[in-house]
Amino acid sequence: DTGVSQDPRHKITKRGQNVTFRCDPISEHNRLYWYRQTLGQGPEFLTYFQNEAQLEKSRLLSDRFSAERPKGSFSTLEIQRTEQGDSAMYLCASSLDDPNYGYTFGSGTRLTVV
Amino acid sequence: AQKITQTQPGMFVQEKEAVTLDCTYDTSDPSYGLFWYKQPSSGEMIFLIYQGSYDQQNATEGRYSLNFQKARKSANLVISASQLGDSAMYFCAMREKSYNTDKLIFGTGTRLQVFP
Repeated sequence: DTGVSQDPRHKITKRGQNVTFRCDPISEHNRLYWYRQTLGQGPEFLTYFQNEAQLEKSRLLSDRFSAERPKGSFSTLEIQRTEQGDSAMYLCASSLDDPNYGYTFGSGTRLTVV
Repeated sequence: AQKITQTQPGMFVQEKEAVTLDCTYDTSDPSYGLFWYKQPSSGEMIFLIYQGSYDQQNATEGRYSLNFQKARKSANLVISASQLGDSAMYFCAMREKSYNTDKLIFGTGTRLQVFP
């Protein structure tokens, strides 16, 4: 297991189109998280899963955003009807259910909405 | 709510010198964990070092050490013998975990530039 994988690395889309990102976490990690990072800012929490259950969603996650982790392994993040304000780096991370354990992040998907 | 503050938007350091990146935090939880991540221009967040609130000694990982002052609620990262490859964004973070939440709270980051 080589870490957290995200696909694609880069995505350019036209405003109004739908996009979907994929994240493959470290296999032993039962928790999976999605973050969004805009230029010059730290990552902001979007949502997280424990196994297949989505346990928390940020207010940042509008109705156009949906995330799934159907079998408790990989996860997808879909953005419908993209807007220019959605342009950002989308980071996925995984971890164990241990407060003293850090997150392992993927390389991120950089989304540009034109 | 927990909060992380990084007051240095940018820092410069000469190669082979040591540098300290500041981080202060705010929490009412008696048990917490503090983390430092490095983010090069490629975008990946790389874990550097961890400090638990009950740890008696400051954490060290190779050239990285954490100057943990619990009473002052500060957790500064010290990088010794800086290298050109250390040039990156550095983020301090705290894990907020309870029965109904689990997230890392990040500061705004410090951009470190190492010059020859």
